[in-house]
This record gives sequence, C-alpha cells and structure tokens, in this order.
Amino acid sequence: NAGVTQTPKFRVLKTGQSMTLLCAQDMNHEYMYWYRQDPGMGLRLIHYSVGEGTTAKGEVPDGYNVSRLKKQNFLLGLESAAPSQTSVYFCASSRPRTSGYEQYFGPGTRLTVT
Amino acid sequence: AQTVTQSQPEMSVQEAETVTLSCTYDTSENNYYLFWYKQPPSRQMILVIRQEAYKQQNATENRFSVNFQKAAKSFSLKISDSQLGDTAMYFCAFMKQWTGGGADGLTFGKGTHLIIQP
Repeated sequence: NAGVTQTPKFRVLKTGQSMTLLCAQDMNHEYMYWYRQDPGMGLRLIHYSVGEGTTAKGEVPDGYNVSRLKKQNFLLGLESAAPSQTSVYFCASSRPRTSGYEQYFGPGTRLTVT
Repeated sequence: AQTVTQSQPEMSVQEAETVTLSCTYDTSENNYYLFWYKQPPSRQMILVIRQEAYKQQNATENRFSVNFQKAAKSFSLKISDSQLGDTAMYFCAFMKQWTGGGADGLTFGKGTHLIIQP
C-alpha cells in the first residue's frame, strides 16, 4: 500500500496563477483533509470531506476550493494564488471511529508563490 | 471553536532522560479525542499516541505515555528513556467527535521542538 500520496512535491507559482494539488489514498478511508503548515505554526485545517461528493470548510478556507469526485482522491485548488498562500500543504485521510480516527498524512507539498 | 496551547516552544534533554511536554486545550465539547503527533526533519507527520476523552485511563505506547486531566483540560506527553531519534517537533491536537459518530478535522497547537542531546 502506498498510503497517502500527494502530487506535486514542490511547486513555484507566480501571483495570480492557478493550480491543483492532488491527494490520493489507497486505504478506502471515508474522511479526507487538507491542512497548511506555516513556520512557527501547527497545521491548520483548510477543507475536509466525510465522503465522496461531500466537502466542508475548515479553519482557513478562503482562497481555496476542493472536490471529492472519487472516494480515493481529494483535490485542492488555488484559483488565483497569492504570496500569503506560500506554505507546506498536507493531505490526510482518516480511519473510522472504531479505529480511533487516526489520521494518516501524506508527505506534503511545498508551495511558493512569488 | 477549540484552541490548543503548547507553552514550551523548545526543550532539550540528554539521551536516556525522561521529558514531559505540556499541552492545554479549551473546549465546551464533552466528546473528543486528543492526539500527539511527531514531525521529524523529514516533515512526515507520525501519530505518537491517542486518548479518548471518555476514557479515564491514561494511554501508553511503549516509552510514551500521557497524563490526561479532563477537568483541567490538560494533556501532557511523557517520553521515557529518550533516544536521539525522538528529536522532532511534537504537536498536540484536538478532534471533536460528532453525536452521530463522525468527527471534525484536527486542531493543532503550535508545537514543541524537542532536542535529544547525546
């Protein structure tokens, strides 16, 4: 099993450009999450999904959109990138209640917006 | 909204010593989970230990144990016989459990950078 994978690993964007980050999991998890990590901060929740076709906003959703068309994939979109979106982005997927909601994280994507 | 506070930005101990990392949280919820995650220089997030709020018994995982004080909203992590490989950022995290059985995403503290000296 590959676990949780993220594509790409690194990306540099110019202000105003758009991009999509792809997260894929092969553990048949229902829940998936997108977080961002800035220097000196813990991870902050951007959006999450509790199942195929459903999404919800987290703590810092502004400037991002998400889609969960397939259970195994969770996409994070930046329509018009801003320097404030320079960050490391982590995707995670979660086991159900019977397994204590342990979240499995991807390796992260480092995004720089110039 | 929940908040998680880690008051120790950095700690340094000698190898084989015991170290305790502090975490407090603020919530009005009664059903929730608490976690400690480790982030080594590789950046990978690794679950260290998990505690369910309704369980009074403190969780243990080998050299790692917690002191969960629900009334005080405190959740500290104790690492016994510390090893060089324990050097990492440690994050305390809170997860609200829904009445129907689902759960929110994690709310993280800002982290404690733990350095184990040889």
